[in-house]
Amino acid sequence: GAGVSQSPSNKVTEKGKDVELRCDPISGHTALYWYRQSLGQGLEFLIYFQGNSAPDKSGLPSDRFSAERTGGSVSTLTIQRTQQEDSAVYLCASSQGFPGELFFGEGSRLTVL
Amino acid sequence: GENVEQHPSTLSVQEGDSAVIKCTYSDSASNYFPWYKQELGKGPQLIIDIRSNVGEKKDQRIAVTLNKTAKHFSLHITETQPEDSAVYFCAARLDSNYQLIWGAGTKLIIKP
Repeated sequence: GAGVSQSPSNKVTEKGKDVELRCDPISGHTALYWYRQSLGQGLEFLIYFQGNSAPDKSGLPSDRFSAERTGGSVSTLTIQRTQQEDSAVYLCASSQGFPGELFFGEGSRLTVL
Repeated sequence: GENVEQHPSTLSVQEGDSAVIKCTYSDSASNYFPWYKQELGKGPQLIIDIRSNVGEKKDQRIAVTLNKTAKHFSLHITETQPEDSAVYFCAARLDSNYQLIWGAGTKLIIKP
């Protein structure tokens, strides 16, 4: 597609369940970022990929969070044993290397009941 | 490390008036300063950026000014329109760095 695609757009889950969020970056974009945005808040950096490797995982809030990227393209953010404080919008962005404009998807809204 | 502060957190202006949002940064080595606009339910989108070798940049009704000495930069929107209502984020980065450091955002409300 023409833009960054994220799925699901909305996810409601019960506390303690695992969730997977998917990001399809713009074709050819080597850099990929995950951010978390709580309601009415700013952008919290989670992880950065260059190609398939993640040189910076420093933003992952706990070991319940993990992410991978395969084929230099699709990325999956996995949250295990979800907690209510994980409720937020998870945004993915890609860029053609750096410095470069970040192109964001519309986000995956996660609600943990 | 770099820190970016953004003010105000909310700005309400009459349609047709100008709006100004200000950001300050801490790392004098930062040399790239973008502004992103986030509409409700969407991801942020780049609207304008400036590099440190330039003091001002304009694109139609939008302009960004940079004061390297004072380490602050501002977004100016003239002749505001209803579609300008959104949250605006400033950011700063070294060109050699992959990570943008973001301000907390400004909610701009355009009153009819």
